[in-house]
Amino acid sequence: NAGVTQTPKFRILKIGQSMTLQCTQDMNHNYMYWYRQDPGMGLKLIYYSVGAGITDKGEVPNGYNVSRSTTEDFPLRLELAAPSQTSVYFCASSFSYGFGGVEGYTFGSGTRLTVV
Amino acid sequence: AQKVTQAQTEISVVEKEDVTLDCVYETRDTTYYLFWYKQPPSGELVFLIRRNSFDEQNEISGRYSWNFQKSTSSFNFTITASQVVDSAVYFCALTVSNFGNEKLTFGTGTRLTIIP
Repeated sequence: NAGVTQTPKFRILKIGQSMTLQCTQDMNHNYMYWYRQDPGMGLKLIYYSVGAGITDKGEVPNGYNVSRSTTEDFPLRLELAAPSQTSVYFCASSFSYGFGGVEGYTFGSGTRLTVV
Repeated sequence: AQKVTQAQTEISVVEKEDVTLDCVYETRDTTYYLFWYKQPPSGELVFLIRRNSFDEQNEISGRYSWNFQKSTSSFNFTITASQVVDSAVYFCALTVSNFGNEKLTFGTGTRLTIIP
């Protein structure tokens, strides 16, 4: 049982380049999330998804796009990378019963991205 | 909207001392969940505990204990007989049980350094 798997672990991008951060979970969680963590800060939500085909913006969505074609996968796309996107990116998943509770909030190991 | 405040930015204690990390939260929802995560120097997020708003019992797990008080909206974390391996950044987080809104809101973290 791998949990939440993120790739790559490290990446250096040049300004204006694009890339996709991959995230896969094998726990059959319905909810998935992308967070970013800037140095010395807490995590901020970029995008989230409550199920396949449904995504919504979080606190800091500008410069990113997501898609959720399957329950397992939730890739994060960076278009036209900027230095302000230098950060550590965490993918997470959880299972929500709706008004009945939330279970198993699990994080991936993170992707350290530097834009130069 | 939810908010989590960790007023202690950095704490240093000598090994074997007890230390308490403070967490104060804000939410208008009556059903919510509180979390603590540990982020060691390696960078991953390690789940420590989850509590729901209906369970105010204090919890103990080895050297770790948690004090949940709804009257003061606090969920404090105590490490007894601290060890060097406890050195990490600790995050308190909150989510509500409201379908479509189970996003984690993080505090800014407390950096704990245990001095040998």
